Amino acid sequence: GAGVSQSPSNKVTEKGKDVELRCDPISGHTALYWYRQSLGQGLEFLIYFQGNSAPDKSGLPSDRFSAERTGGSVSTLTIQRTQQEDSAVYLCASSGQVGISGNTIYFGEGSWLTVV
Amino acid sequence: KQEVTQIPAALSVPEGENLVLNCSFTDSAIYNLQWFRQDPGKGLTSLLLIQSSQREQTSGRLNASLDKSSGRSTLYIAASQPGDSATYLCAVSNDYKLSFGAGTTVTVRA
Repeated sequence: GAGVSQSPSNKVTEKGKDVELRCDPISGHTALYWYRQSLGQGLEFLIYFQGNSAPDKSGLPSDRFSAERTGGSVSTLTIQRTQQEDSAVYLCASSGQVGISGNTIYFGEGSWLTVV
Repeated sequence: KQEVTQIPAALSVPEGENLVLNCSFTDSAIYNLQWFRQDPGKGLTSLLLIQSSQREQTSGRLNASLDKSSGRSTLYIAASQPGDSATYLCAVSNDYKLSFGAGTTVTVRA
């Protein structure tokens, strides 16, 4: 597609429920990132995928969070047993080859999650 | 760990005035630095990317400089317009991860 596409754009869920957030990166981009932006906070790195390499999951805040990327394209971020502190905007981004200093990273519009 | 600081946190100027936004970072071994714009309720839009070997990049009314040795970047926006009102984020890349500043929220008054 023309840009990074994320769905749903908004999600309200009850505490304790599981949610899935989807990201469709720019076609041909091998690198995919998930970031989280809480109200009034900066962007927090969650997870990084690059091609067929093992993902960097070092930013996931707890074992309730997981992500996968199927076929090197679409990615799903899953939050199990949601808590109110999970309320945030979840931003997905993609770029070309990692390590190439000139590559711009492109962000989607985000999935706005509210846990009530 | 890379720390990125943006000053000021907020800025309000009359239309037509030039904007100067500052970004500093603690680890100078960066791959590149990007400036993003974020409108309320929206994602991030990339404005300029400066590679570590470059000293500046320009796009229209925007100019960004990079002084890697001192760990600083400045984004200049010439002849500001109300449409420039947004939050501007600076991000540096040491490897594949971006470290973000907290942003500068700009209001341009008509």
